[in-house]
Amino acid sequence: SQQGEEDPQALSIQEGENATMNCSYKTSINNLQWYRQNSGRGLVHLILIRSNEREKHSGRLRVTLDTSKKSSSLLITASRAADTASYFCATDEWTSGTYKYIFGTGTRLKVLA
Amino acid sequence: DAGITQSPRHKVTETGTPVTLRCHQTENHRYMYWYRQDPGHGLRLIHYSYGVKDTDKGEVSDGYSVSRSKTEDFLLTLESATSSQTSVYFCAILSSGNTIYFGEGSWLTVV
Repeated sequence: SQQGEEDPQALSIQEGENATMNCSYKTSINNLQWYRQNSGRGLVHLILIRSNEREKHSGRLRVTLDTSKKSSSLLITASRAADTASYFCATDEWTSGTYKYIFGTGTRLKVLA
Repeated sequence: DAGITQSPRHKVTETGTPVTLRCHQTENHRYMYWYRQDPGHGLRLIHYSYGVKDTDKGEVSDGYSVSRSKTEDFLLTLESATSSQTSVYFCAILSSGNTIYFGEGSWLTVV
């Protein structure tokens, strides 16, 4: 099963509104990352939050992490049409001395102009 | 962009033929990954490598093999392609800052 699961699966908002996406995971992590994917393109790294951090900001992005609930949220403030994309969370898994990164199924965000 | 190049970017092949996708990186990263992306499934890990000749299976490794004979190249082989392997394949590396960087993807269609 997926380590990271995002919800909602799809989100449609008006330009200027805030968008919130959530990610839940199952096992302990060292860090959690959020990525954006525009249609037909590769994934682009947005932000990394470590397990000992609770909140992190980058421009219009705000990420929170609650390790007790094994969940994270990504908030995009004052959304723009250009924010239309799919957003994925990824969690690290340390197995047999190696790192694997597991991605969720993503949230499709549509920002209407 | 971490200097990741995937080839080919697009390929159409027939069922039963072998296919090899290549991932090339220029920055000497130790970890490399192959994912496939399908609608409704997000990205699923196929195989990964943590050094030359050191590879391991991901969650959807059946029907795939990999090789890493030098640091910069990680090859993904479909021994006998099936229609269920029609997908977009992404290569990725793990940077020293624990950030994953992706290639632009390889679109594979098996007919």
